[in-house]
Amino acid sequence: DTGVSQDPRHKITKRGQNVTFRCDPISEHNRLYWYRQTLGQGPEFLTYFQNEAQLEKSRLLSDRFSAERPKGSFSTLEIQRTEQGDSAMYLCASSSTPGGGSTDTQYFGPGTRLTVL
Amino acid sequence: AQSVTQPDIHITVSEGASLELRCNYSYGATPYLFWYVQSPGQGLQLLLKYFSGDTLVQGIKGFEAEFKRSQSSFNLRKPSVHWSDAAEYFCAVGARNQGGKLIFGQGTELSVKP
Repeated sequence: DTGVSQDPRHKITKRGQNVTFRCDPISEHNRLYWYRQTLGQGPEFLTYFQNEAQLEKSRLLSDRFSAERPKGSFSTLEIQRTEQGDSAMYLCASSSTPGGGSTDTQYFGPGTRLTVL
Repeated sequence: AQSVTQPDIHITVSEGASLELRCNYSYGATPYLFWYVQSPGQGLQLLLKYFSGDTLVQGIKGFEAEFKRSQSSFNLRKPSVHWSDAAEYFCAVGARNQGGKLIFGQGTELSVKP
């Protein structure tokens, strides 16, 4: 079990540029989540996938944000025309679909810290 | 509205002293509750979780938490704090059959005095 990995760990970009982040979940996990965390705050849910299907998107996810998980394995999060307000830590988590009606336990990656100048 | 409140933004304790971090939630469905810890610049590590059954749950690193439905609370405790426990602690709530989305509190930053 290698854990959830994210790439890059840090990204500095200029306002208006596009950026893409990658998340590789724990291999046997079929659910993948994206969260955003700003300084001094807890993570906020953005979106999640079960296999390749994107099942829920937060209102925080504006039209400039898009996430994909094409083969149900790794996922990418793209931000187009970045703004300074997009500066944050972007966290990815994965879990396996629970059985018996229970919920799942999410395991988090190290995050990608985005700075928009 | 669904929410999680961690009333204490910052707590300082002496090494060896006991610790209690507070968490209150507001959630319409049956809640599932989690505590995560985050070191600077890092992701979140799961400390413990409550799904059902015994309301006192044990976690890693000597932490425990007690679910009190009547008080809508899930406070985290440790009997003797170590300097390495200094970090940010987050309480989170999720619900059965709602996709597993977690709602987090604002976090409590723990400092440990030698």
